[in-house]
Amino acid sequence: ETGVTQSPTHLIKTRGQQVTLRCSSQSGHNTVSWYQQALGQGPQFIFQYYREEENGRGNFPPRFSGLQFPNYSSELNVNALELDDSALYLCASSSRAATGSPNEQFFGPGTRLTVL
Amino acid sequence: KNEVEQSPQNLTAQEGEFITINCSYSVGISALHWLQQHPGGGIVSLFMLSSGKKKHGRLIATINIQEKHSSLHITASHPRDSAVYICAVPNTGNQFYFGTGTSLTVIP
Repeated sequence: ETGVTQSPTHLIKTRGQQVTLRCSSQSGHNTVSWYQQALGQGPQFIFQYYREEENGRGNFPPRFSGLQFPNYSSELNVNALELDDSALYLCASSSRAATGSPNEQFFGPGTRLTVL
Repeated sequence: KNEVEQSPQNLTAQEGEFITINCSYSVGISALHWLQQHPGGGIVSLFMLSSGKKKHGRLIATINIQEKHSSLHITASHPRDSAVYICAVPNTGNQFYFGTGTSLTVIP
C-alpha cells in the first residue's frame, strides 16, 4: 500500500478542452512529481513540486501547469487538449531530504486520459 | 540517445526460469531504481540501490556504478511476475529519467 492516490482513474475529453488531475501524496511526503506515459513508452517527467513551489520542469509546453497545496497534495492542469495528450498520467511522492539527495518515490495508480 | 537504456524490450519465459533484465545509463547518479508496472498502470518501487546488490524474495538487483550498469534478476519465475519492469535514475534535482521498460511474460 503506497498511500498515493490519484483521481479520476479514467477520463475522456475532446480536443481543446481543459482537464485537472489530482494527486494525494503519501503522508509525510513533501515532494510530488508528475509524469506522462504514452502507450508503450516509459514515463516522461513533466514537473515536480516541492513545498508548493515548482522545482524543475521537463520538456512540456506551458499549457501543462500544476499546483501543490499546503497539505502537499497536487493538481496537474492541461489546457487546450491535443490528441497526443492521451496517456497515463502518474504522480509520485517522496520526502526530499535536507541534503537534496534522491529518495525513493512512491507512485500512484495513474489517471488514464483519452482525448478524442 | 536516451539517458537510460534497457534490454531486452520484450521477454517471454517459462515458469521456473531465471530471468535477467539489464539497464545501462549515461548520466552520473547516486542511486538507481527498479520499478514494476502491472497492466492498468500502477507502478511499484522494487529497489533503490546505489552499490552492490539487494535481494527481496526472488528478486535480486545489482549495480556497477563504474560501468553504469544494473541488472534485475528473477529466480524461479512465476506467471504473477508478468509485468513491465522499468529502470529509473534520478538527476540532481531528484527528477527521474526512465527506461522504456522490459515487458516480461511468464508462461505457466
